[in-house]
Amino acid sequence: DIQMTQSPSTLSASVGDRVTITCRASQSIDIWLAWYQQKPGKAPKLLIYRASSLESGVPSRFSGSGSGTEFTLTISSLQPDDFATYYCQQYIRDWTFGQGTRVEVK
Amino acid sequence: EVQLLESGGGLVQPGGSLRLSCVTSGFTFSNYAMTWVRQAPGKGLEWISGLSHNAGTINYADSVKGRFTISRDNSKNTLNLQLNSLRPEDTAVYYCAKEGPVAGTFNSWGQGTLVTVS
Repeated sequence: DIQMTQSPSTLSASVGDRVTITCRASQSIDIWLAWYQQKPGKAPKLLIYRASSLESGVPSRFSGSGSGTEFTLTISSLQPDDFATYYCQQYIRDWTFGQGTRVEVK
Repeated sequence: EVQLLESGGGLVQPGGSLRLSCVTSGFTFSNYAMTWVRQAPGKGLEWISGLSHNAGTINYADSVKGRFTISRDNSKNTLNLQLNSLRPEDTAVYYCAKEGPVAGTFNSWGQGTLVTVS
C-alpha cells in the first residue's frame, strides 16, 4: 500500500501569509496527486489534480507542485475563507489520503 | 448543478447491516466512475470503495473487503453501498463522490450520512 504523509499536522497563520503544506508518498506516484480542502461539517472540495492542475473555479492563489514522492500545496496569500483542513490524495494505485493539515488562525 | 444526496445511515449494533444510497442529478451518471469515502469522527478521509461507470471494475479497501458491497443503478442515477458485519470502527460519516477531471479524483461530493456502530 502507498502511504501518504503530510506535514505539518497543524499550521498557524495569519491572513495574507504565504502557506506551504508538504505531502510525501512512500513510493513514487509520478504526478498522480490531488489536493482537497475540507471545512468542519462539510464535504471535501477538490483544489488541485495531477499535482499542479487547478480545478475549475478554484482561486489562483492555490498552487501545487512536485512529482515522484514529494509534493507541495501553496496558498500565496491566505484569505479568511482558507482556514480549513487540507488533504493530499494519491491515485496511481488505489486511492490513499494523507492524514490532513489543519490551517488555523495564528 | 451536480447534486449527490446520501441516505441510509443510522445507529446499528455490531454485526448488523445497513444499506446506503446516493441519489445523483445534474450530470450523466452512467458516464462517471463513483466512489465512497468515509471519515471517522475527528479523523481524516479514508477511501473505501469505488466502481467504474459500468460497474465493470470494482475496488475495495482492505478494511472493508468481504463485508461491504458497492453497486450502481444507472437507470436510477443511484450509487449504493451494502454494509454487513459492521464493527465499531466502521463508525463514520460516509460520503459518495463523483469522478473528477481525471480518473481517480473526486470533484463532487454528497453531504454525507452518519453510520454509528454501537
